[in-house]
Amino acid sequence: DGGITQSPKYLFRKEGQNVTLSCEQNLNHDAMYWYRQDPGQGLRLIYYSQIVNDFQKGDIAEGYSVSREKKESFPLTVTSAQKNPTAFYLCASRWKVSSYEQYFGPGTRLTVT
Amino acid sequence: AQKITQTQPGMFVQEKEAVTLDCTYDTSDPSYGLFWYKQPSSGEMIFLIYQGSYDQQNATEGRYSLNFQKARKSANLVISASQLGDSAMYFCAMRENTGRRALTFGSGTRLQVQP
Repeated sequence: DGGITQSPKYLFRKEGQNVTLSCEQNLNHDAMYWYRQDPGQGLRLIYYSQIVNDFQKGDIAEGYSVSREKKESFPLTVTSAQKNPTAFYLCASRWKVSSYEQYFGPGTRLTVT
Repeated sequence: AQKITQTQPGMFVQEKEAVTLDCTYDTSDPSYGLFWYKQPSSGEMIFLIYQGSYDQQNATEGRYSLNFQKARKSANLVISASQLGDSAMYFCAMRENTGRRALTFGSGTRLQVQP
């Protein structure tokens, strides 16, 4: 089955700890994206990557870091510098830059206490 | 900068009736795409329908249709014959056709279908 996997579904961390959220796709998509969703709000772009070994900051990149060493993987690290890390995180991918449909993973709900 | 506005935080509809969810947008880019996604309580984002800015006809996908009025910068979603399973959050989004091609989302509308 082709798709995007994000694990785990729920993640709990203590304040001050870095945490890495995984995102894996077997769709052979070039572009990958990370979004953050807060309660009652839409999604906001954190980082995106249009090709392996290249990534760009989105609208709310502060306190986050990413890597894109493989086409199928785009992990997101939430660092201790992120002031309000508790949120729902969604990974997405697109086949080509020119294609319109963006596929989403099931999301990871991160709670930091 | 792009902006999506959804002015209806919540909507109720009776089962089997039609409902319209509003979406207005703002962009200076002449080429763009408009999307609607459904988000059930499980959290996944389900793609419903797409409209390109140069498409002449309104997009339709089964019970979903997009009422695209370019001059008014609106892209309302119409759901016909509502079903109980349609209860969810609905997000309107716009994609830039240059640069990062990421989606800009509205704040969403929570639709509740009543039996």
